[in-house]
Amino acid sequence: DIQMTQSPSSLSASVGDRVIVTCRASQGISNYLVWFQQKPGKAPKSLIYGASNLQSGVPSRFSGSGSGTDFTLTITSLQPEDFATYYCQHFNSYPLTFGGGTTVEIK
Amino acid sequence: EVQLVESGGGLVQPGGSLRLSCAASGFTFSDRYMDWVRQAPGKGLEWVGRSRNKANSYTTEYAASVKGRFIISRDDSKNSVYLQMNGLKTEDTAVYYCVGAARYSGHYFSDYWGRGTLVTVSS
Repeated sequence: DIQMTQSPSSLSASVGDRVIVTCRASQGISNYLVWFQQKPGKAPKSLIYGASNLQSGVPSRFSGSGSGTDFTLTITSLQPEDFATYYCQHFNSYPLTFGGGTTVEIK
Repeated sequence: EVQLVESGGGLVQPGGSLRLSCAASGFTFSDRYMDWVRQAPGKGLEWVGRSRNKANSYTTEYAASVKGRFIISRDDSKNSVYLQMNGLKTEDTAVYYCVGAARYSGHYFSDYWGRGTLVTVSS
């Protein structure tokens, strides 16, 4: 199975900050990676698929990059509604696996 | 508008069975792969399994943790997908999400999510 490792597990940031979350796959997954945002008590929402393609309706301050084993999710100019937990997931092969999550908290 | 509505969650004793349902609307259900994903209280996300579409013979894939105990099926005439859970264990306690998968470059990723239904396994 492919293991997905996210870092950091949590971070504190202020409104307006640039935030970077990383996700590493235990083996190459090309660009078959998706990023999700989850707010407390809510279902996850997909933000970016194919490592770098922004979902419709997602603000352009979100971006993704990477290929192979190393990926990043970047939020430029963090907004109050961005405080949430972020997960990566690969869809290269079965079983699909998620990273452990990164919680972005208010500083 | 895409909607996925899960039902069937509840309290069940260890060793028991439960069947979850998911009703879909707002997209062409028969074309889609459908996933189940779960989240234990206070924990991260865990992919449970997938049903492929008719074009791919409705074949299924499962996580090792549920293989042999859980069965995913679907009824395209009812725009519904199901998760039959047998031999339930306390560690199966979680919110179960129904998820519609979208295609990207020949692969499918979890895209549209329902609100989830809580399954509690306890004596």
